[in-house]
Amino acid sequence: ELKVEQNPLFLSMQEGKNYTIYCNYSTTSDRLYWYRQDPGKSLESLFVLLSNGAVKQEGRLMASLDTKARLSTLHITAAVHDLSATYFCAVDPQLSGGGADGLTFGKGTHLIIQP
Amino acid sequence: EPEVTQTPSHQVTQMGQEVILRCVPISNHLYFYWYRQILGQKVEFLVSFYNNEISEKSEIFDDQFSVERPDGSNFTLKIRSTKLEDSAMYFCASSRLAGGPKTQYFGPGTRLLVL
Repeated sequence: ELKVEQNPLFLSMQEGKNYTIYCNYSTTSDRLYWYRQDPGKSLESLFVLLSNGAVKQEGRLMASLDTKARLSTLHITAAVHDLSATYFCAVDPQLSGGGADGLTFGKGTHLIIQP
Repeated sequence: EPEVTQTPSHQVTQMGQEVILRCVPISNHLYFYWYRQILGQKVEFLVSFYNNEISEKSEIFDDQFSVERPDGSNFTLKIRSTKLEDSAMYFCASSRLAGGPKTQYFGPGTRLLVL
């Protein structure tokens, strides 16, 4: 069974600081997604990482994937209040060879950025 | 920008009643999914659907659940006899054909409360 573990689960930080969220997973996969969820809202796709060494950046967020270590990171640079949300990583188990695989999500990191 | 839509946004039902949750996936997408999120917990995969049949299902998706694509646009999740523990936010998602990022785009969700 695929397990996806995120840490930390809760993070309170000040504006302007840097921090990294970690996502470990238990099986071979080179397809990992990061989503953002605001309270009571749906999941917004942030990044798609499709190969070992993949790095994607959007604004103050940067995501990377190390498939050998089965680890992805989401790095926040110079945090601002608007980035307060819950961030989920999700792994595609790639069971069906390109078919409709359900994603396995981590528990999410609840991020609060204080002025 | 195309998006996944879901109806209703909220549904309250009595235990033992049947509910049907509806979704309209993005029009050129061919893979469809249902997920649920119990309040404060992680997102859990229920079922995926492709070419008018179930592609994959999780242990949660037992005999009380069913999915259907009754016409060219709607994708439905039926819960035959609801239980208290079915109370959750239910998300529909869709993705394109294999070969690309296969990002799953999520709808706004239906909040189901079983009394």
